[in-house]
Amino acid sequence: QVQLQESGPGLVKPSQTLSLTCTVSGGSISSRVCYWSWIRQPPGKGLEWIGFIYYSGSTYYSLSLKGRVTISLDTSKNQFSLNLNSVTAADTAVYFCARMGMVRGVGDAFDIWGQGTMVTVSS
Amino acid sequence: QSVLTQPPSASGTPGQRVTISCSGSSSTIGSNYVYWYQQVPGTAPKLLIYRNNQRPSGVPDRFSGSQSGTSASLAISGLRSEDEADYYCAAWDDAVSVEVFGGGTKLTVL
Repeated sequence: QVQLQESGPGLVKPSQTLSLTCTVSGGSISSRVCYWSWIRQPPGKGLEWIGFIYYSGSTYYSLSLKGRVTISLDTSKNQFSLNLNSVTAADTAVYFCARMGMVRGVGDAFDIWGQGTMVTVSS
Repeated sequence: QSVLTQPPSASGTPGQRVTISCSGSSSTIGSNYVYWYQQVPGTAPKLLIYRNNQRPSGVPDRFSGSQSGTSASLAISGLRSEDEADYYCAAWDDAVSVEVFGGGTKLTVL
């Protein structure tokens, strides 16, 4: 049973870089049949897709965050990471990592989610 | 403003049937599958419906999904108190190659 667990600082200062890691257990991050994703949810608001990465290193990012966001893989640790730079208070949110399955070579559902981690941007 | 449009709220009494709509465009729902997620506040979202109308194992058949043109719907029959949650639709947007979510619908069981 694949499980995901987010980790990282709960408090980041404005203009600095938010860095989170998602550890995958019960499965391989080198799987060719899924994307590894980040999704966030500001307090009291809806879900916002951030982006995802394929085992090959190919990435897709939200247009609103492109330029500030980087998602990467660490196959040796079976982890994937999120870096979001130049953060502001608007980046305060619960950050979820999730697995997106694939069907016929294209993305499918977010079928497995981490529990989420709250990140606050404040001085 | 979300690319997929959902009503902000819906409600029903126990045993009733409730539907939640999700309106998109030709580049989202019109050409890609729709997915539905249920989120109880304070917890991670849970996959409820995939590929328009398929239920993952463990999801009761009281939940059903449909898609027509550029719109989709989630129906919940035999409403129960534990169905009180936020519901989100999602789809891929071919026009800009991004995944998009609806703004979410808060379901209240009266």
